Amino acid sequence: GEDVEQSLFLSVREGDSSVINCTYTDSSSTYLYWYKQEPGAGLQLLTYIFSNMDMKQDQRLTVLLNKKDKHLSLRIADTQTGDSAIYFCAERVGGFKTIFGAGTRLFVKA
Amino acid sequence: GAGVSQSPSNKVTEKGKDVELRCDPISGHTALYWYRQSLGQGLEFLIYFQGNSAPDKSGLPSDRFSAERTGGSVSTLTIQRTQQEDSAVYLCASSRLALDNEQFFGPGTRLTVL
Repeated sequence: GEDVEQSLFLSVREGDSSVINCTYTDSSSTYLYWYKQEPGAGLQLLTYIFSNMDMKQDQRLTVLLNKKDKHLSLRIADTQTGDSAIYFCAERVGGFKTIFGAGTRLFVKA
Repeated sequence: GAGVSQSPSNKVTEKGKDVELRCDPISGHTALYWYRQSLGQGLEFLIYFQGNSAPDKSGLPSDRFSAERTGGSVSTLTIQRTQQEDSAVYLCASSRLALDNEQFFGPGTRLTVL
């Protein structure tokens, strides 16, 4: 079946790196995504990776994909209080269907 | 520019009543998606529209749920005879094309069924 799992909470100190992990089950995923949801706002796409890549870097964000283990991670370097939000992992399966995880709530302590 | 808007932002209803939730996608976006976000759970895919047609309705939880899209723009999600387990945040998203990687999400409608 289609399932995306991620831990529910992560707490880091300001300035440290944050690593949010995700596992998925559908091996036919074409794209994998990280979305961010700030309080009272809609989800916003942060970054995505094509399934034949194993790494993508975008400023402070690094996405690592281990396709064999069906494991995706998002690393945020130099985490700031403004990074506090819920981060959703998602995979595209089939042509248009996107399966989302439950979201990881990131707390950044000053 | 205008993003995806949803109305109402909050809806409280009594068990057994029907509700209608509205989504206005970004102008020109042909693909529209409905999701349900329950407490502590991920976004549950409900239905997808390409233009006015819905190729896949398999995500709708029961026959009490229906959705339509008219004129390739506004969409309405209708829940008949609401139950307490229908309480959730209903999110709408749109994308320019169905295969686009970025979906733009609205702020959601929080539905509470008493």
